[in-house]
Amino acid sequence: DGGITQSPKYLFRKEGQNVTLSCEQNLNHDAMYWYRQDPGQGLRLIYYSQIVNDFQKGDIAEGYSVSREKKESFPLTVTSAQKNPTAFYLCASSISTSGNTIYFGEGSWLTVV
Amino acid sequence: GNSVTQMEGPVTLSEEAFLTINCTYTATGYPSLFWYVQYPGEGLQLLLKATKADDKGSNKGFEATYRKETTSFHLEKGSVQVSDSAVYFCALRSGGSYIPTFGRGTSLIVHP
Repeated sequence: DGGITQSPKYLFRKEGQNVTLSCEQNLNHDAMYWYRQDPGQGLRLIYYSQIVNDFQKGDIAEGYSVSREKKESFPLTVTSAQKNPTAFYLCASSISTSGNTIYFGEGSWLTVV
Repeated sequence: GNSVTQMEGPVTLSEEAFLTINCTYTATGYPSLFWYVQYPGEGLQLLLKATKADDKGSNKGFEATYRKETTSFHLEKGSVQVSDSAVYFCALRSGGSYIPTFGRGTSLIVHP
């Protein structure tokens, strides 16, 4: 089935560690996005990418990094510079043109221990 | 720039009550409008969408009409169920930017 797969579903990070969240899509979408969601809050855009080997910072990029080496993959690294990383992370993808639906993965929970 | 404003939640209803969740927007150009639903601990799922003025999106008993004159896209359902309890997000994508703009979300709680 076509869709977006995020892994892992749950991840625990120790202080000072970098962790990487995986996002893979088989929808042949050009654009991919990473959002952060804090409990009871809306979505905040971290990074987005419209094509392979190109990505742009969103509203809260500090302490995060991404890569887009393949069309279907858009991993997010939460670095030790992100001081408050505990949150729910959502990956999404879409065809670039504006009228098309944005599809979401099931999300990944990251907790600092 | 683009923006989406949703009514504050939580919205608390009894089963079989009528639901309205208000959504208004500002956008450049002619946006496409979406409603997404998020169940606890899950990602967002598309509920319905409308791509031009006066279009009505509908799905699972939910409806929303694209009103250009009032820049609104209110979500309605005639009779809610406990299983409709979730967070609902209004969103738009405008020709000026392919980046989607989301509202803050409205939590719906339906009691038996």
